[in-house]
Amino acid sequence: NAGVTQTPKFQVLKTGQSMTLQCAQDMNHNSMYWYRQDPGMGLRLIYYSASEGTTDKGEVPNGYNVSRLNKREFSLRLESAAPSQTSVYFCASSGATRGSYEQYFGPGTRLTVT
Amino acid sequence: SQQGEEDPQALSIQEGENATMNCSYKTSINNLQWYRQNSGRGLVHLILIRSNEREKHSGRLRVTLDTSKKSSSLLITASRAADTASYFCATHSGNTPLVFGKGTRLSVIA
Repeated sequence: NAGVTQTPKFQVLKTGQSMTLQCAQDMNHNSMYWYRQDPGMGLRLIYYSASEGTTDKGEVPNGYNVSRLNKREFSLRLESAAPSQTSVYFCASSGATRGSYEQYFGPGTRLTVT
Repeated sequence: SQQGEEDPQALSIQEGENATMNCSYKTSINNLQWYRQNSGRGLVHLILIRSNEREKHSGRLRVTLDTSKKSSSLLITASRAADTASYFCATHSGNTPLVFGKGTRLSVIA
């Protein structure tokens, strides 16, 4: 059981470039989440998917898009990266909708936009 | 918007001492969860306490919840150097996703 995996682990982009962060879970969880973590800000929810086929905006969705490809995979896309998107990005999954149960986190992707 | 606020922001103790972290929140909750994050890693779930529970234990961890004061505390007994990490509370309210606080950085000095 790998749990939640994320690729890549590190990425450097130039302003205006695009990229997709990949996330997969092997726990048969219904819900998946994307967060960003900035120093002193804790975790902020970008988008989430309560179940396969649905996605919803979180607290900071601007500049991002998501795709729930299937039950296992949930990707985050930056169409035109900006320096303000420099952050550590975490994907998480849980067995219940919206937070009744614990979330399992991936190892994170460190993104730098220059 | 952050619902939970941890206090203190940082805590430094000697190995063997107890560590207490607090979390206050604003609106009524379904449950409150505590997570640990080691440096450079993802968060790991520690314990979940439901709104109708007052206290839960897991190994050296003890969590209390006071819904009348809208606050929770996490006690780590007999701290070890390996407990050095950031600790986050997260609240679940209504039908909305979990909301995380900004965390408490715990340093346990050997």
